[in-house]
Amino acid sequence: QVQLQESGPGLVNPSETLSLNCTVSGGSINRYFWSWIRQPPGRGLEWLGYISSSGTTKYSPPFKSRITFSIDTSRNQFSLNLKSVTAADTAVFYCARLTWGSVIDNWGQGVPVIVSS
Amino acid sequence: QSVLTQPPSASGTPGQRVTISCSGSRSNIGLNSVNWYQHLPGTAPKLVIHTNTQRPSGVPDRFSGSRSGTSASLAIIGLQSEDESDYYCTTWDDSLNAVVFGGGTRLTVL
Repeated sequence: QVQLQESGPGLVNPSETLSLNCTVSGGSINRYFWSWIRQPPGRGLEWLGYISSSGTTKYSPPFKSRITFSIDTSRNQFSLNLKSVTAADTAVFYCARLTWGSVIDNWGQGVPVIVSS
Repeated sequence: QSVLTQPPSASGTPGQRVTISCSGSRSNIGLNSVNWYQHLPGTAPKLVIHTNTQRPSGVPDRFSGSRSGTSASLAIIGLQSEDESDYYCTTWDDSLNAVVFGGGTRLTVL
């Protein structure tokens, strides 16, 4: 069973860049698509985009201008950078595996990130 | 405002049948299959239905899904206390070129 684990700072200053990593274990990162999803406090789940194992990206329209994904297949890791954050970016961030039919079949436990000075 | 519309809440007593609706449009549910997730805040969401009607291994057959036109539904029969959770529908949207989520439905077992 594939396992995913998010890591990164839990506190980010406004206007700075939020950076998170996701480590994939128990399986290869190759041949799949990898997503980031977030949940702001008191709100629903929000899809941020995906990156393929070959580095192809698709970003959700509201985030296109300030989000970047990267992937390191040698380390079985992929990453998220969200720049110019505000308090509205405070959320629990999940990394996940995206498969055929937009099925998200494996999720990390989530990491809370607070944007505050 | 979510692209897919779900009722914010639903409830039932143990043993009852509950359905949760998910309304979309031609560019999303009208063209693509729907998946459903069970989510307890603070934990990893769990896939309970994929491809409109399919249950992953380990999901009880009390859970079922359906899709018709631009709407989909999740049904739970024989409701149990452990079913109390948030439920989200998702699909791909061809116009937005993105995965879209419903706003989520909080299911309460009375």
